[in-house]
Amino acid sequence: GQQLNQSPQSMFIQEGEDVSMNCTSSSIFNTWLWYKQDPGEGPVLLIALYKAGELTSNGRLTAQFGITRKDSFLNISASIPSDVGIYFCAGRVEVQGAQKLVFGQGTRLTINP
Amino acid sequence: NAGVTQTPKFRILKIGQSMTLQCAQDMNHNYMYWYRQDPGMGLKLIYYSVGAGITDKGEVPNGYNVSRSTTEDFPLRLELAAPSQTSVYFCAGRQGGRNEQFFGPGTRLTVL
Repeated sequence: GQQLNQSPQSMFIQEGEDVSMNCTSSSIFNTWLWYKQDPGEGPVLLIALYKAGELTSNGRLTAQFGITRKDSFLNISASIPSDVGIYFCAGRVEVQGAQKLVFGQGTRLTINP
Repeated sequence: NAGVTQTPKFRILKIGQSMTLQCAQDMNHNYMYWYRQDPGMGLKLIYYSVGAGITDKGEVPNGYNVSRSTTEDFPLRLELAAPSQTSVYFCAGRQGGRNEQFFGPGTRLTVL
């Protein structure tokens, strides 16, 4: 099946630092999504990317859809304590009209104040 | 709107027991999904539904069953619980024509 490789698996940074994480796949996706999961909660959508090469921002978050459609990255600038959590990339496939998401393993972000 | 709700939040089962994980949404979602999340892993799709009366298997359907008798509800059934089904289960819903899946808060299931 399709798989997404997300790296790094975990990050320990100081408050105020910038963060960068990425996701690669052996398959092409037409949509890339980045989610954040807080402890004890379900994932929440941060950014959706629909076109190869697209660069999209949401506040301090910036994500790009790779030209090959097989990768994406997420940057967080000037990290703050509430950025702590697990970040997941997901590629979207359409199967018989139904949208399915394939998730990466997640990047766990820890911030030292 | 309550969004996507899941019950129970936690459950411990013995091997061989059965249970139903409940999922309900009041956001008029045509599409609903069940995922499991194992420690340190991303979410894997178990089953999905494109509308009332229509369900289909996802990536890891073995050991599970679903039904979609109404648009609002999408219960997940475990008939013979096994330790390999210890996981956190998330239900999600999506409106047709929209891209975002809205996730419930999850059910943490332990099978001993």
